[in-house]
Amino acid sequence: DSGVTQTPKHLITATGQRVTLRCSPRSGDLSVYWYQQSLDQGLQFLIQYYNGEERAKGNILERFSAQQFPDLHSELNLSSLELGDSALYFCASSAGTVAQPQHFGDGTRLSIL
Amino acid sequence: GENVEQHPSTLSVQEGDSAVIKCTYSDSASNYFPWYKQELGKRPQLIIDIRSNVGEKKDQRIAVTLNKTAKHFSLHITETQPEDSAVYFCAAASSNTGKLIFGQGTTLQVKP
Repeated sequence: DSGVTQTPKHLITATGQRVTLRCSPRSGDLSVYWYQQSLDQGLQFLIQYYNGEERAKGNILERFSAQQFPDLHSELNLSSLELGDSALYFCASSAGTVAQPQHFGDGTRLSIL
Repeated sequence: GENVEQHPSTLSVQEGDSAVIKCTYSDSASNYFPWYKQELGKRPQLIIDIRSNVGEKKDQRIAVTLNKTAKHFSLHITETQPEDSAVYFCAAASSNTGKLIFGQGTTLQVKP
């Protein structure tokens, strides 16, 4: 158990819909990262938050947004879903912002029908 | 842009043999290099990491080496066991942000 909790484990929805993925970091960790893992793209960095503030952004689509709340949990919102958004979405957390071990949650598997 | 190349994409070894996976990174500002093991359908699990001020790090059967000049780093697994079979990812993080740029992954198969 990594201590990082992600919900839900599975999501099945249709094109055009909107979903919210939730992540609770390990106790004491201030940084939260979101990654997307698809078969053809591997593990891709989406976005990082540190103590409530956006810290770094990857190739995150405009249809995707995220935030980190005062209790440090984070949510990733995906809207106007397309078939290509089907993937495993991982959240990771670390104590600080740089050169810190990142521990991954079990992921949310998103399937778009 | 930032890129990490990982080779080979697949590796098959006999139990007891050694396995080596190599990665090359492009961002000279990278200063942290973790390795993750991912079993099918599971989360990536951190197995070892190295920072840019260190050339080598070892943890039991696993070791990582870093050549900053050549921008290469490698994972070495000795005395491989069937339970080492998994996908292994290297990654690099820049000194400015914590974001990890991952290699494409290596599927390691250890044959009993």
